[in-house]
Amino acid sequence: GENVEQHPSTLSVQEGDSAVIKCTYSDSASNYFPWYKQELGKRPQLIIDIRSNVGEKKDQRIAVTLNKTAKHFSLHITETQPEDSAVYFCAASNTGRRALTFGSGTRLQVQP
Amino acid sequence: DADVTQTPRNRITKTGKRIMLECSQTKGHDRMYWYRQDPGLGLRLIYYSFDVKDINKGEISDGYSVSRQAQAKFSLSLESAIPNQTALYFCATGGYTSGSTDTQYFGPGTRLTVL
Repeated sequence: GENVEQHPSTLSVQEGDSAVIKCTYSDSASNYFPWYKQELGKRPQLIIDIRSNVGEKKDQRIAVTLNKTAKHFSLHITETQPEDSAVYFCAASNTGRRALTFGSGTRLQVQP
Repeated sequence: DADVTQTPRNRITKTGKRIMLECSQTKGHDRMYWYRQDPGLGLRLIYYSFDVKDINKGEISDGYSVSRQAQAKFSLSLESAIPNQTALYFCATGGYTSGSTDTQYFGPGTRLTVL
């Protein structure tokens, strides 16, 4: 089955700096890669996703890149703000399997 | 997201007790999922269902069972709870009405403690 590895497990940045979280996946058939943000005590919420026919997607300060050959994808957050502090999860799935496999999460702390 | 609700939100129980966690959704989604979250382990899939007659095991289904009573309701049962089932449990939904069959929306979670 699919295996998703996520790094780093914790990340601390200064407000205004950029943050990058990386994930690798094992199943070459995976074609959908969402990112979820989970604030303390709350549910995971989708912040951005990308499909295998696209190499990069942006939404304001966040962007995701995908390298199908290397089987890795990354989340980029620019101009970080204290409210970006949360745990971020990557995930992967393919339409055939129809279920997401999540990475273990990255705790991002943005220092004011 | 009030469209996906879970009951109870918190539960403390004893080893050996039967526990049922319930999930309801008003999104009209056909797909429903149960996940377990443990610190440092992310979200792990327990069971998922694509319609009332379709139930599938996830990666950690041992010790759990589910029931899809209707399109909008998906229950998770622990027949005989044990302490290592102490965790945060999330229900999620997804389907064509969300714009993508792959996108999932999570409920608020149920914190279960087994003593």
